[in-house]
Amino acid sequence: AAGVIQSPRHLIKEKRETATLKCYPIPRHDTVYWYQQGPGQDPQFLISFYEKMQSDKGSIPDRFSAQQFSDYHSELNMSSLELGDSALYFCASSHSWGQGAYEQYFGPGTRLTVT
Amino acid sequence: TQLLEQSPQFLSIQEGENLTVYCNSSSVFSSLQWYRQEPGEGPVLLVTVVTGGEVKKLKRLTFQFGDARKDSSLHITAAQPGDTGLYLCAGSTIGYSSASKIIFGSGTRLSIRP
Repeated sequence: AAGVIQSPRHLIKEKRETATLKCYPIPRHDTVYWYQQGPGQDPQFLISFYEKMQSDKGSIPDRFSAQQFSDYHSELNMSSLELGDSALYFCASSHSWGQGAYEQYFGPGTRLTVT
Repeated sequence: TQLLEQSPQFLSIQEGENLTVYCNSSSVFSSLQWYRQEPGEGPVLLVTVVTGGEVKKLKRLTFQFGDARKDSSLHITAAQPGDTGLYLCAGSTIGYSSASKIIFGSGTRLSIRP
């Protein structure tokens, strides 16, 4: 079965540079979520999109922005990178239906290292 | 603010022992998911429970959703080193006109010693 695809898998950037992370959800999933996970920490919710509109916002820094495109893929743009932005970034997708469950399926993550 | 509290936060036990992880909230959820995450990888969905009082079994893992749909437990029988990982519960609330809100618990780091 198709899974969530994230690219790149690894990214090394210098301080103050910009990075763009991409996420391709499972086909027919209409919701995308972004999470940041620091070393030894739990995933922290950043932002989510439903049908290309921002649906929820978590602890996303103002330096970060994201969007969901017409083909439902999403991009997380990170500017003025700081050392503390080094983390695993996960994308998850889900399909909403009536009163049913909203299971999230996670991608393999992008490991961002800021030097 | 909706919160999902998991306990214990850390658990280290010997292979073959049994354990239970709890996920509690004061809020009612339409469904609850359990995930397991290994280092450097994305969380993997283990189970979804929807109905109050529901019990689901996945080999040595037993998941229960509380009658009031505010809490859940994960019980592992005869733990094995391969069960080591971060276990996350996540509760979902429903919005008809927008995506549901999903709240993650704080996680339980489980270590099984051979």
